[in-house]
Amino acid sequence: EAGVAQSPRYKIIEKRQSVAFWCNPISGHATLYWYQQILGQGPKLLIQFQNNGVVDDSQLPKDRFSAERLKGVDSTLKIQPAKLEDSAVYLCASSSPDRRVYGYTFGSGTRLTVV
Amino acid sequence: AQKVTQAQTEISVVEKEDVTLDCVYETRDTTYYLFWYKQPPSGELVFLIRRNSFDEQNEISGRYSWNFQKSTSSFNFTITASQVVDSAVYFCALRGSGGSNYKLTFGKGTLLTVNP
Repeated sequence: EAGVAQSPRYKIIEKRQSVAFWCNPISGHATLYWYQQILGQGPKLLIQFQNNGVVDDSQLPKDRFSAERLKGVDSTLKIQPAKLEDSAVYLCASSSPDRRVYGYTFGSGTRLTVV
Repeated sequence: AQKVTQAQTEISVVEKEDVTLDCVYETRDTTYYLFWYKQPPSGELVFLIRRNSFDEQNEISGRYSWNFQKSTSSFNFTITASQVVDSAVYFCALRGSGGSNYKLTFGKGTLLTVNP
């Protein structure tokens, strides 16, 4: 099966600019996640979608970050305006609805550098 | 709240040595799932193993083995006869059983360097 697709692979922007990341999960995976991985740390969940709905966005900085999942498939994560501390790798993942298989598949990530 | 602690920040070994990566977790859930992921320099997270809290049987897969002990809340990972290709950051992660919230809580990772 095809993996989780993310784009762009790399992005460099100046602080206060806006940026958007795109994710296409594995076909049939109802649950989609966005994680933020700051250099030297483990990934941290920003937002979880179940189909179109948001399950958990408790760690999403809502004053500058937003995310949507169109028709329960693709998702975009936006940052506006970006800050220096937003420099990180943004990972998208999706998981199977099969309760016997709690598998998560991660994309290759988007490496964001804010200068 | 859930927490995963990987006390070893960096480990350096010489090829063919055995190495154990430690993972200690905290959760109030009675049912939970533990994972190990490998993150090579290319950046993608590669799934290695998942264990259920109700299955404490240790597992061996080739050069990899996992020791799950609920009594000490630990889920350690051993690589036998390490190879240079094993060099990567390894993450331990925890998923609870909170309804439809399937999020993974990750440790900070252990950077393993295997030198030739």
